[in-house]
Amino acid sequence: KQEVTQIPAALSVPEGENLVLNCSFTDSAIYNLQWFRQDPGKGLTSLLLIQSSQREQTSGRLNASLDKSSGRSTLYIAASQPGDSATYLCANTQGGSEKLVFGKGTKLTVNP
Amino acid sequence: DTGVSQNPRHKITKRGQNVTFRCDPISEHNRLYWYRQTLGQGPEFLTYFQNEAQLEKSRLLSDRFSAERPKGSFSTLEIQRTEQGDSAMYLCASSGALSYGYTFGSGTRLTVV
Repeated sequence: KQEVTQIPAALSVPEGENLVLNCSFTDSAIYNLQWFRQDPGKGLTSLLLIQSSQREQTSGRLNASLDKSSGRSTLYIAASQPGDSATYLCANTQGGSEKLVFGKGTKLTVNP
Repeated sequence: DTGVSQNPRHKITKRGQNVTFRCDPISEHNRLYWYRQTLGQGPEFLTYFQNEAQLEKSRLLSDRFSAERPKGSFSTLEIQRTEQGDSAMYLCASSGALSYGYTFGSGTRLTVV
């Protein structure tokens, strides 16, 4: 059974800092991995999708990497802003299943 | 294309009542998913449709829960005889192909009092 762990559970940084959020998973036979953002009481907004054949994806100040062999993904946020404050969730699917398995998320606070 | 739409946004109901939620996926997406999220947890998979066929159901989906997608477009999730433990955010997502990832709606927050 796939398990996804996100460390740290919460992170508080000053504005302008570069930061890394970590995601690990127990079964490396994943199909794709997706990072989401969730604001309090809201739904999920997709940030980046990494397919199993890819090693990283970039969008603006965000960069996500995937290392299947070690069962890890990281989300790098450059020059953080207060508007980046949210919970960040990673999730993956495995071959043969349509089910996304989520971690519990990392709650990020960027202080002005 | 206005994304995935869920209604209502919030629902407060008394224990024992039935509730129904609706999800309208992105129009060209043939895959539709329901997830449930409780406070401080990641979303958990409930069920998946490809067109009108319900292809996968979680053990979380007890016999009080039923989901339909009658014409392969919108979907409904019904909870019968609600319990306080059903209080959660119910999220719907759609996808055109697994390789393109999921798009989630804003969710329906259910509170059972």
